Amino acid sequence: SQTIHQWPATLVQPVGSPLSLECTVEGTSNPNLYWYRQAAGRGLQLLFYSVGIGQISSEVPQNLSASRPQDRQFILSSKKLLLSDSGFYLCAWSASPSANQPQHFGDGTRLSIL
Amino acid sequence: LAKTTQPISMDSYEGQEVNITCSHNNIATNDYITWYQQFPSQGPRFIIQGYKTKVTNEVASLFIPADRKSSTLSLPRVSLSDTAVYYCLVVGFSGGGADGLTFGKGTHLIIQP
Repeated sequence: SQTIHQWPATLVQPVGSPLSLECTVEGTSNPNLYWYRQAAGRGLQLLFYSVGIGQISSEVPQNLSASRPQDRQFILSSKKLLLSDSGFYLCAWSASPSANQPQHFGDGTRLSIL
Repeated sequence: LAKTTQPISMDSYEGQEVNITCSHNNIATNDYITWYQQFPSQGPRFIIQGYKTKVTNEVASLFIPADRKSSTLSLPRVSLSDTAVYYCLVVGFSGGGADGLTFGKGTHLIIQP
């Protein structure tokens, strides 16, 4: 069966520090991969998605970047964190780029910026 | 992008049937309607998906009228553990894009004893 792993589960970082969140998927090949952010009391906002290695689409301009160095690895990064980067970050995968394949989410990373 | 509108919150009681309606007036021909459930501090979990008419699985039913401009998620005989946020998404992929994948605030369903 397919599984998705995100780490760390919680993270506290000072303003201006770098960030690296990692997500890996097991049990499937060539998945679509996604990064979402959920601010407190708000819905999930799609940040990045990827349909293949090295292929990244950004949905909103921001202080973050994403990379996909391997088929089942998706990394969310920042060079200098801002207070507004606080939130709940979720990675997800889907089986194909067609609309009738649901997304499967990881357990998320709670990021607090001090 | 097909925007969705759903109630911010709903209340019900254990054992009742709950229906949550989502409006998506500008749904496109290649769009699917998908519902997710999210508990606090967890990622959303897929519940059900449909294109038209009625879809049923072991958890819920999804009713979609002929014009597809709305959909209703039906949860039979809810329990306290069904208290969660429910999201309606209208998703269509075209040329590798990801239209409609922003979840919005969803419907906060509260089940009381």
